[in-house]
Amino acid sequence: DTEVTQTPKHLVMGMTNKKSLKCEQHMGHRAMYWYKQKAKKPPELMFVYSYEKLSINESVPSRFSPECPNSSLLNLHLHALQPEDSALYLCASSQDWAGGMSNQPQHFGDGTRLSIL
Amino acid sequence: QKEVEQNSGPLSVPEGAIASLNCTYSDRGSQSFFWYRQYSGKSPELIMFIYSNGDKEDGRFTAQLNKASQYVSLLIRDSQPSDSATYLCAVDYGGATNKLIFGTGTLLAVQP
Repeated sequence: DTEVTQTPKHLVMGMTNKKSLKCEQHMGHRAMYWYKQKAKKPPELMFVYSYEKLSINESVPSRFSPECPNSSLLNLHLHALQPEDSALYLCASSQDWAGGMSNQPQHFGDGTRLSIL
Repeated sequence: QKEVEQNSGPLSVPEGAIASLNCTYSDRGSQSFFWYRQYSGKSPELIMFIYSNGDKEDGRFTAQLNKASQYVSLLIRDSQPSDSATYLCAVDYGGATNKLIFGTGTLLAVQP
């Protein structure tokens, strides 16, 4: 079990559907992340939130829309996805980079396995 | 372009042996180094992190960092079949950012 909880664990949706992925952590972390991972590839960063503000968007298509309602929650809204968007979507959290020299370890949730029909 | 390189493997070791996993990185300014274990179909799990040159030990795991040579390694002592997984090396992107660069991972197979 991880301290970062993601729901749902599996999601199948059509290309015209709208759905949301949810992520919750109660470790007091102020940085939260969305990653996309395809089979046999490393995680690919999509978004970073720092203190509930979007700090990094890795040129992700607008059909993916992140939202951070509060310091414990992170959502990823999905709309009009393509079959190539099928992947494992991972949420992670960490203590925020606080002006020091080192990044803090990121802790991953179990992921949502997304299939686009 | 900032890069993190790992041998994709598979690295096959017999049960009880020491597994040595290596990672090199291109950015001399990197300060934070992480090892994650990922079982097939599961999410990455943090194994070790290291910030300073030298060795850091945690149970059967030892992380080694050499910033002058720009490599970081993970040693697994007394390898068990349950250690069979992909091991991902991640390095900070540098600067005022929470961004990590992941290597492609090394598949470790521990033979009973």
